[in-house]
Amino acid sequence: SQQGEEDPQALSIQEGENATMNCSYKTSINNLQWYRQNSGRGLVHLILIRSNEREKHSGRLRVTLDTSKKSSSLLITASRAADTASYFCATEQAAAGNKLTFGGGTRVLVKP
Amino acid sequence: KAGVTQTPRYLIKTRGQQVTLSCSPISGHRSVSWYQQTPGQGLQFLFEYFSETQRNKGNFPGRFSGRQFSNSRSEMNVSTLELGDSALYLCASSWTSSSYEQYFGPGTRLTVT
Repeated sequence: SQQGEEDPQALSIQEGENATMNCSYKTSINNLQWYRQNSGRGLVHLILIRSNEREKHSGRLRVTLDTSKKSSSLLITASRAADTASYFCATEQAAAGNKLTFGGGTRVLVKP
Repeated sequence: KAGVTQTPRYLIKTRGQQVTLSCSPISGHRSVSWYQQTPGQGLQFLFEYFSETQRNKGNFPGRFSGRQFSNSRSEMNVSTLELGDSALYLCASSWTSSSYEQYFGPGTRLTVT
């Protein structure tokens, strides 16, 4: 079973709009990471947020973490066609020997 | 700095055969992790190597094995291939462990017929 579950599974928006996706997990984590994958290629790291952090920004990306709800969100502002990709959250749980466990991903389509 | 490289990029094998995939991490990275990605199961952790030692292992049968060399390059081997082993195999390297951001290679697309 997967530790992280993304919601929604798919998202279609117009260029310039914001895209928000959520990740929920089941057990306590050390950190949570977000990755992007373009069409069957390797993953690209976006942001790492530690369990004692609540919010992080990187360019047009904003990640929040709510450990009480065991959830995280990734916001992409002013989306571009190049943001079309699958986005995955990955959690590192101390109980799992510090390996990363990935969610099922959110497929984002940004229409020009 | 060169990225993570994986060879080969594409591979077609027959059921029952074995396969070896190779991964060269970013220079200076000592941790190498392997993942299997399929449409049905998503991204699943196979194993992690650090300083030539397997530090962590996912829930895969013993047909899946790996190793890491002194230069941090890693190989994974799958013996007695099954149709269900068809997948994109991704390698990722990081400085010390998955507690840090991982840098992924482009993957090896394995098709078992």
